[in-house]
Amino acid sequence: KQEVTQIPAALSVPEGENLVLNCSFTDSAIYNLQWFRQDPGKGLTSLLLIQSSQREQTSGRLNASLDKSSGRSTLYIAASQPGDSATYLCAVPVDRRDDKIIFGKGTRLHILP
Amino acid sequence: EAQVTQNPRYLITVTGKKLTVTCSQNMNHEYMSWYRQDPGLGLRQIYYSMNVEVTDKGDVPEGYKVSRKEKRNFPLILESPSPNQTSLYFCASRSITGFSTKNIQYFGAGTRLSVL
Repeated sequence: KQEVTQIPAALSVPEGENLVLNCSFTDSAIYNLQWFRQDPGKGLTSLLLIQSSQREQTSGRLNASLDKSSGRSTLYIAASQPGDSATYLCAVPVDRRDDKIIFGKGTRLHILP
Repeated sequence: EAQVTQNPRYLITVTGKKLTVTCSQNMNHEYMSWYRQDPGLGLRQIYYSMNVEVTDKGDVPEGYKVSRKEKRNFPLILESPSPNQTSLYFCASRSITGFSTKNIQYFGAGTRLSVL
């Protein structure tokens, strides 16, 4: 059964630093992996989607990598800003049908001004 | 503007009183899904639909019903709400055709439900 883990649960980083958020999954036969951002009391916003055939995706200061063999994905945030403070979640399909989705519990990120 | 709209945003009700949370998307997406989010448990999938008249259970379907009579709408029905259904609910949609960015899920703003 697929399980998704995000460690740490919370992270505080001074503004301007680069940081890495981690996501691990138990079943490496994934179809894709998606990173989301959630602001307090708000819905989720998709940040990056990596297909199983890709190793990384970039959007602005964000870079997501995928290593299926080790069951890991990382979200790299460059030059962090206070506006990056949010909870970051990763999600993978349960199986290759890509209809049931499992989310990690997220990492709550706080950028210190 | 592409969006997923949920209503209501906030709802307080009492045990046993039937309620419906509506979800509508304007992106012509085939796939729609409902999640609940609880502290310490994260996001869990309730039901999903791959297209009109096609629905299936997620991880936590007990106590919920859904219907998909039209492509744009996917209401969540609680026939007899109980306090353990107090939660933050999200609707999401995505395209299932094509590749790459078409598989990205779009989320509604959420419905905070309290069952007394």
